[in-house]
Amino acid sequence: SYVLTQPPSMSVAPGQTARIPCGGSDLGTKSVHWYQHKSGQAPLLVVFDDDARPSGIPERFSGSESGNTATLTINGVEAGDEADYFCQVWHSTSDHQTWVFGGGTKLTVL
Amino acid sequence: QVRLVESGGGVVRSGRSLRLSCAASGFTFNDYIIHWVRRTPGKGLEWVAVISQDGTTHFYADSVKGRFSISRDYSKNMVYLQLSSLRVDDTAVYFCARPSTTSWNDVLNVWGQGTRVTVSS
Repeated sequence: SYVLTQPPSMSVAPGQTARIPCGGSDLGTKSVHWYQHKSGQAPLLVVFDDDARPSGIPERFSGSESGNTATLTINGVEAGDEADYFCQVWHSTSDHQTWVFGGGTKLTVL
Repeated sequence: QVRLVESGGGVVRSGRSLRLSCAASGFTFNDYIIHWVRRTPGKGLEWVAVISQDGTTHFYADSVKGRFSISRDYSKNMVYLQLSSLRVDDTAVYFCARPSTTSWNDVLNVWGQGTRVTVSS
């Protein structure tokens, strides 16, 4: 089965930059999406197709990819950015399809 | 507007069954595949199942294969997830989600608010 690896937690002071990595085999051949999830709410898409930003998402959120690692970058972190962040890809084989999420990174704003 | 609303969650004993519902509105229901995704206390977000536009194709996560069943009702614009042989580690908030386009591999950009399932031993 396909696995996406994220650090379980990260802490950043307000105004600083958070860079959340997501690693996976042959990740460069896949489109990576990023979701923000806060308790009691629906997951919110913040970056799709590696580096595209949905309408309404602040420019502080950006995505990039290099080799087998995708990165979600949050510039000028704010208290409201404290949440869990998950990367996600679609993985297809000859007889099966799965939508794979990383284990998630809990972002704490100090 | 485009909307998904889940219902049917609750507290259930291990080994029992439960049916979750997802009511869709604001878009052409027949055009989109629909997913179920769950957020567990320990594992984060986990994709559970998906059903095709015509209801004939389903895929399941290995962790639920053989125990969960996904279906859809076109007369009611509803998608269901039948949970059987429930285990304690099925405890989660269950979300239904829709991709941004009618393609199978597109990003999930429409989500419901979720329904909570608690499985007791």
